[in-house]
Amino acid sequence: GNSVTQMEGPVTLSEEAFLTINCTYTATGYPSLFWYVQYPGEGLQLLLKATKADDKGSNKGFEATYRKETTSFHLEKGSVQVSDSAVYFCALTVYSSASKIIFGSGTRLSIRP
Amino acid sequence: EAGVVQSPRYKIIEKKQPVAFWCNPISGHNTLYWYLQNLGQGPELLIRYENEEAVDDSQLPKDRFSAERLKGVDSTLKIQPAELGDSAVYLCASSLGSLAGSTGELFFGEGSRLTVL
Repeated sequence: GNSVTQMEGPVTLSEEAFLTINCTYTATGYPSLFWYVQYPGEGLQLLLKATKADDKGSNKGFEATYRKETTSFHLEKGSVQVSDSAVYFCALTVYSSASKIIFGSGTRLSIRP
Repeated sequence: EAGVVQSPRYKIIEKKQPVAFWCNPISGHNTLYWYLQNLGQGPELLIRYENEEAVDDSQLPKDRFSAERLKGVDSTLKIQPAELGDSAVYLCASSLGSLAGSTGELFFGEGSRLTVL
């Protein structure tokens, strides 16, 4: 079946530190991959996506590259800010089961000033 | 543009009582989703509507859960009777078009947090 595994949190970093949140997936077919973010008191929102192998999604300084050979989609940011404190969810969907997005368990990120 | 609106934000009930959650999607979004989010876990799909038709309800526990979207706009999710294990956050999301899920463009509400005592 299709599934997503992401690193457990919480992750606590100092401001301006480098961030990596690991995500690996298992999928039948050719998945599209996503990172969603949930800021405190808000709903989940799409952060970035990649729809085919070697694609790089980017937004708000975050990047993730779709690596088919390692079935990974790690989230990175070169210099985090306090405002990046949130819960990050890796997710996938497979076109053959369109409109069913499968989420990982989430990683809580806290940034210290 | 207004986002996905859910109510109530919080609900505390005793077990065996009924509860209902309401969702109003973004205007023009024909696909509506109800997700369940347990503490420390990611959202899990309960049911998906295309307009007023439930096209995927395979994960909805039909013995106690029901949902409707009568006019293809807003939707209600009901639990009757509630059990202790139903304590969770119930998320509503919407998207534009039936294949929008394959692009990941879901728009979520803030969720309804249920506590069953």
